[in-house]
Amino acid sequence: SYELTQPPSVSVSPGQTARITCSGDALPKQYAYWYQQKPGQAPVLVIYKDSERPSGIPERFSGSSSGTTVTLTISGVQAEDEADYYCQSADSSGTYHHVVFGGGTKLTVL
Amino acid sequence: QLQLQESGPGLVKPSETLSLTCTVSGGSISSSSYYWGWIRQPPGKGLEWIGSIYYSGSTYYNPSLKSRVTISVDTSKNQFSLKLSSVTAADTAVYYCARHRLGSGWSDYYMDVWGKGTTVTVSS
Repeated sequence: SYELTQPPSVSVSPGQTARITCSGDALPKQYAYWYQQKPGQAPVLVIYKDSERPSGIPERFSGSSSGTTVTLTISGVQAEDEADYYCQSADSSGTYHHVVFGGGTKLTVL
Repeated sequence: QLQLQESGPGLVKPSETLSLTCTVSGGSISSSSYYWGWIRQPPGKGLEWIGSIYYSGSTYYNPSLKSRVTISVDTSKNQFSLKLSSVTAADTAVYYCARHRLGSGWSDYYMDVWGKGTTVTVSS
C-alpha cells in the first residue's frame, strides 16, 4: 500500500487562489479524487479523475496532474470554501483493490 | 436520488464486536460498476478506508484492519454491513458508508455517494 502526502494547512484571503497539493508514487498510473469536508458533515466529491468536476460543484474548483503530484485549485476563494480537503486514489494490483486517502489539508480563509 | 443511511449501536465495550448496517434507498445495491464500503474518521483525524464489497460478495479490506473486519451484503434488504471485532478505544470514530464507483478500470475507483455518518464510541 502506498501513501498520499498533503500539506496539513493552507491559508488564503478571500478572492485569492488556493492550491492544495497531493503527492504519491502511483499517481502517474492512478486517477486522483478530491473531497471537501466541512465540520460535522460527510465528505463531498469535488473533483474526480484528476480534473473532472461533478455536477453542482462550482467552476472555481479545478484539478490538475503532473507526474507524482496532483493539485486542487480553488480560484476566487470564498468564505464558504473553508473546509478540510482530502485527496484519494486507488492502490490496485491483480489481487487487491484498495482505497488510499491523503492526510487532509485544512483550508483557512483569512 | 440515491441515499445511504448508517445504523447501529453508538456505544461498544472494549474487546467486543462493532456492528453497523448501511441501508441503500433510491437505487439497487445490485447495480454493476459499484462497490459498497465503509470509511471511518477518528475524532479530529483524517479519513481511513475500511473496505468494500460487491453485490456478489467479493470483498477488499484495508490491510491494517483485515484481521478484524468483515463486510457482508444482503441484496434482498438492499443493505450491507460492517463487523469490526476486538475493538479498543482507537476504534472510536465516525463511521461512514459510501458507494464506490468503479469507472474506467481499477485506476478509476472512488466514492461518489456518502451516508451522513454515525458516531461509535468504544468505552466500558
